Amino acid sequence: AQTVTQSQPEMSVQEAETVTLSCTYDTSESNYYLFWYKQPPSRQMILVIRQEAYKQQNATENRFSVNFQKAAKSFSLKISDSQLGDTAMYFCAFMNTQGGSEKLVFGKGTKLTVNP
Amino acid sequence: GAGVSQTPSNKVTEKGKYVELRCDPISGHTALYWYRQSLGQGPEFLIYFQGTGAADDSGLPNDRFFAVRPEGSVSTLKIQRTERGDSAVYLCASSPGLAGGTDTQYFGPGTRLTVL
Repeated sequence: AQTVTQSQPEMSVQEAETVTLSCTYDTSESNYYLFWYKQPPSRQMILVIRQEAYKQQNATENRFSVNFQKAAKSFSLKISDSQLGDTAMYFCAFMNTQGGSEKLVFGKGTKLTVNP
Repeated sequence: GAGVSQTPSNKVTEKGKYVELRCDPISGHTALYWYRQSLGQGPEFLIYFQGTGAADDSGLPNDRFFAVRPEGSVSTLKIQRTERGDSAVYLCASSPGLAGGTDTQYFGPGTRLTVL
């Protein structure tokens, strides 16, 4: 079974600075997808960024980028120019692309606080 | 277009009672997922529908939990003989369900279930 580990329960960063959230995963599959979701206090999970395992190039979305190290099974999220609205829980998630079920396996999350 | 909606937003019930939680997916999305998020944890997969059929129900914890999607749109998660341990936020997500694709899942705001 796949597992996702987020080793940082909480992190804080000053507004406009850069922060990196860590995520490692365990799988025997070679094809899969990785995601970062943001969950603000409103509870709604919002997709931040996704990465296909077969792509060597790291995904980027504006201020958000990932460092995907397939051999190390590591998938960290970098947030540049942090904004107060980035304050939220961040969840790393794994999806196996084989077997027919596109369920997401989530880590326990990292609570990020952006301070003014 | 509207996003995924869930009703009720909050539900308080007594131990032993029956509850129904409703999910309205994004129009046209054929894939629908239910997850359960306990306090301080990441969401855990419950069940996945492709159209009207449950393609993967391996996450349902026991036979007190059941879900339906009779017309391939709205889904209802049903919990019989509720227990205090069922207290959690129940999240619904939908995706286009494109054949052979691995689609992004779009989440609703969840239903917070409290069993007294």
